[in-house]
Amino acid sequence: GAVVSQHPSWVICKSGTSVKIECRSLDFQATTMFWYRQFPKQSLMLMATSNEGSKATYEQGVEKDKFLINHASLTLSTLTVTSAHPEDSSFYICSARWRDRGNEQYFGPGTRLTVT
Amino acid sequence: QKEVEQNSGPLSVPEGAIASLNCTYSDRGSQSFFWYRQYSGKSPELIMSIYSNGDKEDGRFTAQLNKASQYVSLLIRDSQPSDSATYLCAVNPLSGSARQLTFGSGTQLTVLP
Repeated sequence: GAVVSQHPSWVICKSGTSVKIECRSLDFQATTMFWYRQFPKQSLMLMATSNEGSKATYEQGVEKDKFLINHASLTLSTLTVTSAHPEDSSFYICSARWRDRGNEQYFGPGTRLTVT
Repeated sequence: QKEVEQNSGPLSVPEGAIASLNCTYSDRGSQSFFWYRQYSGKSPELIMSIYSNGDKEDGRFTAQLNKASQYVSLLIRDSQPSDSATYLCAVNPLSGSARQLTFGSGTQLTVLP
């Protein structure tokens, strides 16, 4: 149990385009999902907290108009990087909180984004 | 002071030895504590959760929690080269969102064959 998938696993896009990343909890319901970004050899950085059916809460310094988050159902959250720039190139990881297992969070495999 | 502190390492142990990873946290009201393992280039994987004082064992892993000292540790017995990874300590602080975890910066462990 506790499987979280992400799609795509890697993506290369041109500067100025938008990229959508999907995060799904496959075998449990996730009322809360989290989006992180990680640069090479650095710590996880929380970008936003996403609750099903409501607006996401963004961390300080994260532009909500650039990183659009939608949590449409108890098993799906999406992150759209709009007007991507090379500095947005990073490893994006989602995690899902299993409602019936306290605060345990399970991570997806991550999406490696490269903006050229 | 960081909310969750870990020695960054690297920590090197020989194969078969016990690896000891430590973590301290600042929010005394924290209730939930987790250890994640992250291999290079991969996402974190939950390996242990602990909620009450004392020891919790799962296979070769033992998590230890001491709320009075605000200290949580992870012991890995019979360390294997495949245990080489970065280990992240995560805490659910009382002051933060009930759903959000605060992560330490991680300890890099290398198990030498």
